[in-house]
Amino acid sequence: GAGVSQTPSNKVTEKGKYVELRCDPISGHTALYWYRQSLGQGPEFLIYFQGTGAADDSGLPNDRFFAVRPEGSVSTLKIQRTERGDSAVYLCASSLKASGRVEQFFGPGTRLTVL
Amino acid sequence: AQRVTQPEKLLSVFKGAPVELKCNYSYSGSPELFWYVQYSRQRLQLLLRHISRESIKGFTADLNKGETSFHLKKPIAQEEDSAMYYCALSGAGANSKLTFGKGITLSVRP
Repeated sequence: GAGVSQTPSNKVTEKGKYVELRCDPISGHTALYWYRQSLGQGPEFLIYFQGTGAADDSGLPNDRFFAVRPEGSVSTLKIQRTERGDSAVYLCASSLKASGRVEQFFGPGTRLTVL
Repeated sequence: AQRVTQPEKLLSVFKGAPVELKCNYSYSGSPELFWYVQYSRQRLQLLLRHISRESIKGFTADLNKGETSFHLKKPIAQEEDSAMYYCALSGAGANSKLTFGKGITLSVRP
Protein backbone atom coordinates (compact mmCIF):
# COMPACT_ATOMS: atom_id res chain seq x y z
CA GLY A 1 0.00 0.00 0.00
CA ALA A 2 0.92 3.67 -0.13
CA GLY A 3 3.37 4.96 2.41
CA VAL A 4 3.43 8.30 4.18
CA SER A 5 3.32 11.16 1.71
CA GLN A 6 4.30 14.79 2.18
CA THR A 7 3.64 17.85 0.07
CA PRO A 8 5.25 19.89 -1.23
CA SER A 9 8.58 18.09 -1.60
CA ASN A 10 10.34 21.45 -1.75
CA LYS A 11 9.25 24.88 -0.58
CA VAL A 12 11.18 28.10 -1.03
CA THR A 13 9.84 31.16 0.74
CA GLU A 14 10.96 34.57 1.89
CA LYS A 15 11.66 35.59 5.42
CA GLY A 16 8.49 36.69 7.16
CA LYS A 17 6.10 34.64 5.02
CA TYR A 18 3.65 31.98 6.19
CA VAL A 19 3.97 28.35 5.05
CA GLU A 20 1.95 25.18 5.39
CA LEU A 21 3.38 21.69 5.07
CA ARG A 22 1.09 18.72 4.60
CA CYS A 23 1.38 15.10 5.70
CA ASP A 24 -0.78 12.16 4.60
CA PRO A 25 -0.19 9.23 6.95
CA ILE A 26 -0.66 5.56 6.18
CA SER A 27 -4.36 4.71 6.25
CA GLY A 28 -5.44 3.43 9.65
CA HIS A 29 -2.46 4.86 11.53
CA THR A 30 -3.72 6.75 14.55
CA ALA A 31 -0.40 8.28 15.62
CA LEU A 32 1.30 10.99 13.57
CA TYR A 33 4.64 12.65 14.28
CA TRP A 34 6.46 15.71 12.98
CA TYR A 35 10.26 15.98 13.10
CA ARG A 36 12.67 18.60 11.80
CA GLN A 37 16.11 17.75 10.41
CA SER A 38 18.68 20.46 10.03
CA LEU A 39 21.83 19.97 7.97
CA GLY A 40 24.24 17.57 9.61
CA GLN A 41 21.84 16.67 12.40
CA GLY A 42 19.50 13.83 13.18
CA PRO A 43 15.73 14.39 13.11
CA GLU A 44 14.42 16.36 16.08
CA PHE A 45 10.94 15.80 17.48
CA LEU A 46 8.41 18.61 17.13
CA ILE A 47 4.93 17.30 17.93
CA TYR A 48 2.83 14.17 17.80
CA PHE A 49 -0.87 13.44 17.52
CA GLN A 50 -2.88 10.53 18.80
CA GLY A 51 -6.04 10.81 16.74
CA THR A 52 -7.04 14.45 16.42
CA GLY A 53 -5.39 15.74 19.58
CA ALA A 54 -1.83 16.86 20.06
CA ALA A 55 -0.52 14.45 22.69
CA ASP A 56 2.91 16.07 23.00
CA ASP A 57 3.94 19.40 21.47
CA SER A 58 7.01 19.90 23.63
CA GLY A 59 9.33 20.00 20.64
CA LEU A 60 7.77 23.00 18.91
CA PRO A 61 10.50 25.66 19.10
CA ASN A 62 8.19 28.66 19.62
CA ASP A 63 4.68 29.94 19.05
CA ARG A 64 5.31 30.56 15.34
CA PHE A 65 4.92 26.82 14.85
CA PHE A 66 1.53 25.15 15.00
CA ALA A 67 0.13 21.84 13.74
CA VAL A 68 -3.35 20.46 13.29
CA ARG A 69 -4.97 17.15 12.48
CA PRO A 70 -8.67 17.96 12.43
CA GLU A 71 -10.05 14.63 11.22
CA GLY A 72 -7.45 12.32 12.64
CA SER A 73 -5.81 11.66 9.29
CA VAL A 74 -4.06 14.40 7.30
CA SER A 75 -1.95 16.84 9.30
CA THR A 76 -0.69 20.31 8.47
CA LEU A 77 2.33 21.96 10.04
CA LYS A 78 2.02 25.74 9.93
CA ILE A 79 4.89 28.17 10.34
CA GLN A 80 4.21 31.89 10.71
CA ARG A 81 6.68 34.71 10.07
CA THR A 82 9.33 32.32 8.79
CA GLU A 83 12.96 32.93 9.67
CA ARG A 84 16.12 31.77 7.93
CA GLY A 85 16.79 29.43 10.84
CA ASP A 86 13.59 27.53 10.00
CA SER A 87 15.27 26.16 6.87
CA ALA A 88 15.39 22.39 7.27
CA VAL A 89 13.81 19.15 6.10
CA TYR A 90 10.50 18.58 7.83
CA LEU A 91 9.70 14.90 8.27
CA CYS A 92 6.38 13.31 9.03
CA ALA A 93 5.94 9.78 10.39
CA SER A 94 2.96 7.66 11.30
CA SER A 95 2.38 4.50 13.31
CA LEU A 96 -0.52 2.21 14.13
CA LYS A 97 -0.67 3.64 17.62
CA ALA A 98 1.38 5.85 19.91
CA SER A 99 3.72 3.41 21.56
CA GLY A 100 7.46 3.26 21.85
CA ARG A 101 7.29 -0.36 20.70
CA VAL A 102 5.48 0.34 17.44
CA GLU A 103 7.41 1.18 14.27
CA GLN A 104 7.15 4.68 12.88
CA PHE A 105 7.04 4.95 9.09
CA PHE A 106 8.57 8.08 7.64
CA GLY A 107 7.61 10.21 4.69
CA PRO A 108 10.08 11.62 2.17
CA GLY A 109 10.13 15.01 3.86
CA THR A 110 9.56 18.59 2.79
CA ARG A 111 12.70 20.66 2.25
CA LEU A 112 11.95 24.21 3.41
CA THR A 113 14.28 27.01 2.38
CA VAL A 114 13.75 30.46 3.84
CA LEU A 115 15.57 33.17 1.90
CA ALA B 1 16.15 14.11 29.56
CA GLN B 2 16.77 11.58 26.83
CA ARG B 3 19.86 11.81 24.69
CA VAL B 4 21.54 9.72 22.00
CA THR B 5 25.22 10.10 21.14
CA GLN B 6 26.84 8.83 17.98
CA PRO B 7 30.48 9.83 18.45
CA GLU B 8 31.63 9.40 14.85
CA LYS B 9 30.36 11.16 11.72
CA LEU B 10 31.92 8.91 9.13
CA LEU B 11 33.13 5.34 8.90
CA SER B 12 34.84 4.18 5.74
CA VAL B 13 35.72 0.50 5.28
CA PHE B 14 36.53 -1.89 2.48
CA LYS B 15 34.03 -4.49 1.32
CA GLY B 16 34.32 -7.60 3.46
CA ALA B 17 35.60 -5.76 6.54
CA PRO B 18 33.71 -5.80 9.85
CA VAL B 19 31.66 -2.78 10.81
CA GLU B 20 30.72 -1.34 14.20
CA LEU B 21 28.67 1.83 14.47
CA LYS B 22 28.67 3.19 18.00
CA CYS B 23 25.67 4.49 19.91
CA ASN B 24 25.39 5.56 23.54
CA TYR B 25 22.25 6.80 25.23
CA SER B 26 20.97 8.55 28.31
CA TYR B 27 17.46 7.80 29.59
CA SER B 28 15.88 7.59 33.03
CA GLY B 29 13.83 4.45 32.66
CA SER B 30 13.65 1.52 30.29
CA PRO B 31 14.23 2.76 26.76
CA GLU B 32 13.35 1.29 23.43
CA LEU B 33 16.37 1.47 21.11
CA PHE B 34 16.33 1.52 17.33
CA TRP B 35 18.63 1.83 14.35
CA TYR B 36 17.22 3.69 11.35
CA VAL B 37 18.90 3.78 7.94
CA GLN B 38 18.64 6.19 5.03
CA TYR B 39 19.97 5.00 1.68
CA SER B 40 20.79 7.53 -1.00
CA ARG B 41 17.64 9.29 -2.26
CA GLN B 42 15.38 7.14 -0.10
CA ARG B 43 13.37 7.89 2.99
CA LEU B 44 14.35 7.05 6.55
CA GLN B 45 13.44 3.46 7.42
CA LEU B 46 13.71 1.19 10.41
CA LEU B 47 16.64 -1.24 10.27
CA LEU B 48 16.22 -2.99 13.58
CA ARG B 49 15.10 -2.55 17.18
CA HIS B 50 16.47 -4.11 20.33
CA ILE B 51 13.18 -5.66 21.38
CA SER B 52 13.10 -7.85 18.27
CA ARG B 53 16.52 -9.37 18.91
CA GLU B 54 16.80 -10.15 15.21
CA SER B 55 19.43 -9.81 12.52
CA ILE B 56 18.47 -7.65 9.54
CA LYS B 57 20.65 -7.63 6.42
CA GLY B 58 23.38 -9.20 8.54
CA PHE B 59 23.29 -6.39 11.12
CA THR B 60 22.85 -6.99 14.83
CA ALA B 61 22.73 -4.69 17.83
CA ASP B 62 22.83 -5.61 21.50
CA LEU B 63 21.49 -3.38 24.22
CA ASN B 64 24.05 -3.05 27.01
CA LYS B 65 22.30 -1.36 29.91
CA GLY B 66 25.46 -1.26 32.04
CA GLU B 67 27.34 0.73 29.41
CA THR B 68 24.16 2.41 28.09
CA SER B 69 25.16 1.41 24.58
CA PHE B 70 23.45 -0.02 21.51
CA HIS B 71 26.22 -0.49 18.96
CA LEU B 72 25.36 -1.76 15.47
CA LYS B 73 27.56 -4.50 14.07
CA LYS B 74 28.03 -6.43 10.88
CA PRO B 75 30.84 -8.96 10.42
CA ILE B 76 31.18 -8.56 6.65
CA ALA B 77 30.29 -5.23 5.04
CA GLN B 78 28.80 -5.04 1.54
CA GLU B 79 28.86 -2.08 -0.82
CA GLU B 80 25.07 -1.82 -0.60
CA ASP B 81 25.41 -1.10 3.13
CA SER B 82 26.67 2.38 2.28
CA ALA B 83 24.13 4.76 3.81
CA MET B 84 23.41 7.13 6.68
CA TYR B 85 22.65 5.36 9.97
CA TYR B 86 20.82 6.88 12.92
CA CYS B 87 20.50 5.48 16.40
CA ALA B 88 17.23 6.44 18.11
CA LEU B 89 15.51 6.03 21.46
CA SER B 90 11.97 6.25 22.77
CA GLY B 91 10.11 5.41 25.93
CA ALA B 92 8.28 2.11 26.15
CA GLY B 93 4.81 3.44 26.76
CA ALA B 94 2.88 6.34 25.35
CA ASN B 95 6.05 8.47 25.39
CA SER B 96 6.72 7.36 21.84
CA LYS B 97 8.58 10.34 20.41
CA LEU B 98 11.93 9.34 18.97
CA THR B 99 15.18 11.01 20.01
CA PHE B 100 17.84 10.58 17.32
CA GLY B 101 21.58 10.78 17.31
CA LYS B 102 23.33 12.93 14.73
CA GLY B 103 23.90 9.98 12.47
CA ILE B 104 26.93 8.37 10.89
CA THR B 105 27.75 7.93 7.22
CA LEU B 106 28.94 4.43 6.42
CA SER B 107 30.94 4.18 3.21
CA VAL B 108 31.86 0.70 1.98
CA ARG B 109 34.49 0.77 -0.73
CA PRO B 110 34.93 -1.97 -3.33
